[in-house]
Parts: sequence; C-alpha cells; structure tokens
Amino acid sequence: DAGITQSPRHKVTETGTPVTLRCHQTENHRYMYWYRQDPGHGLRLIHYSYGVKDTDKGEVSDGYSVSRSKTEDFLLTLESATSSQTSVYFCAISESRQTANEKLFFGSGTQLSVL
Amino acid sequence: KQEVTQIPAALSVPEGENLVLNCSFTDSAIYNLQWFRQDPGKGLTSLLLIQSSQREQTSGRLNASLDKSSGRSTLYIAASQPGDSATYLCAVNDDYKLSFGAGTTVTVRA
Repeated sequence: DAGITQSPRHKVTETGTPVTLRCHQTENHRYMYWYRQDPGHGLRLIHYSYGVKDTDKGEVSDGYSVSRSKTEDFLLTLESATSSQTSVYFCAISESRQTANEKLFFGSGTQLSVL
Repeated sequence: KQEVTQIPAALSVPEGENLVLNCSFTDSAIYNLQWFRQDPGKGLTSLLLIQSSQREQTSGRLNASLDKSSGRSTLYIAASQPGDSATYLCAVNDDYKLSFGAGTTVTVRA
C-alpha cells in the first residue's frame, strides 16, 4: 500500500470553527489531491497540488483552502466550517500528472461532521 | 463537464455468479479509465487502469473493457466470492484529473 496517512481519522466540530485536515505521504510523489465523498455524488475534487507551494482549484473548492510547504504534507483548511461540509475527505497522490497510465493512490479518509 | 454514471447503484448476487458492472461517461476524449474498489470505512484501491488506446485490461478474475466511442466501460468479475463484496467506482481521466461515478455497491451472498 502507498504510504499515505490522513489525520485525524474522525473529527466532530461546530459550525463556524476552523478545521485543518492533514495528508502525509512517504512516497515522494509530486502530485497530491483532496477529494470529498458524499452519498450519490462519487468523489469530487476540491484542490490539488503539483509541487511545493503550487496548488490549483478543483470543482468544489469554495470554502476550502490548501497549503503545501513540504513535498510530503498537504493541508486542507475549512476556514469556517458549515454543515454542508460534513463529508468524508480523501487525500490521493500520484507520481506525475494523470497521463495515460498513471494510477492514483488514496489514503483511508477523514470523516468530518459539522454540527 | 464530464459526467460519469454507474448503474445500478446496488447489486446482490449469489456466490459463484459472474458480476457485470457498468460505467458510462459523456465525453469520449479521455486519457484513461480506472476501476476502484472501496471497502466500508476505507480508501479506494485501484483495480484496473485502461488506457484510451486499449480495449480491455485483465487482472486475475477481473476484466475491464472500454468502448470510448460509445462512452462505456464494463467491469467483469468472474466466479464472484463473498470477499468481492464492496463498492466499485469507475473514474475517467480527461483533463489530468479524475471524474468519478457514484459507484455500484456489490453484495455477494454465500
């Protein structure tokens, strides 16, 4: 299994509070991604990173920010959590851009509940 | 915007039966298509990746086909076992990012 650790695994927080989720990899892969998974929606891309300090938005980036100060760490921050951000968050990594034969490897996920 | 659909959302079969899982997508200009397995409370594990130039890919009891022109992929699992019970998701790569279907949850009854 790819060396991807997400923390925390579970988090319960209140509306309006800031929340930071961490993804740590030991594979030295250049690309890192944050997805959210909701019933009936599959996985949707929030943000991704293509190198240290290089990030870009995905399809559902509103209300989220990210940072990558080191190759191995990719942080997802909810500045002011809302109930609509209750979801399971997955981190993924890939060695290079998603070209013809590049696979994506996933962490175990963080279950976030915003009350 | 790429739309990926998986029908049915859930499937229950007796042990030993062959499984057929369907995935359709709206934009045929893709780099590849991947099939993933997800167990409850766990992350996704890549099962098969089919490049856009390929028609099928096989791994053990799993075989995935790709018909780009019609926007379809099918995952076949031969001689299903209770351990195959999981949610199976397909994802297409069309712009260096993956678009996922919502998945098909499979239950194999012993």
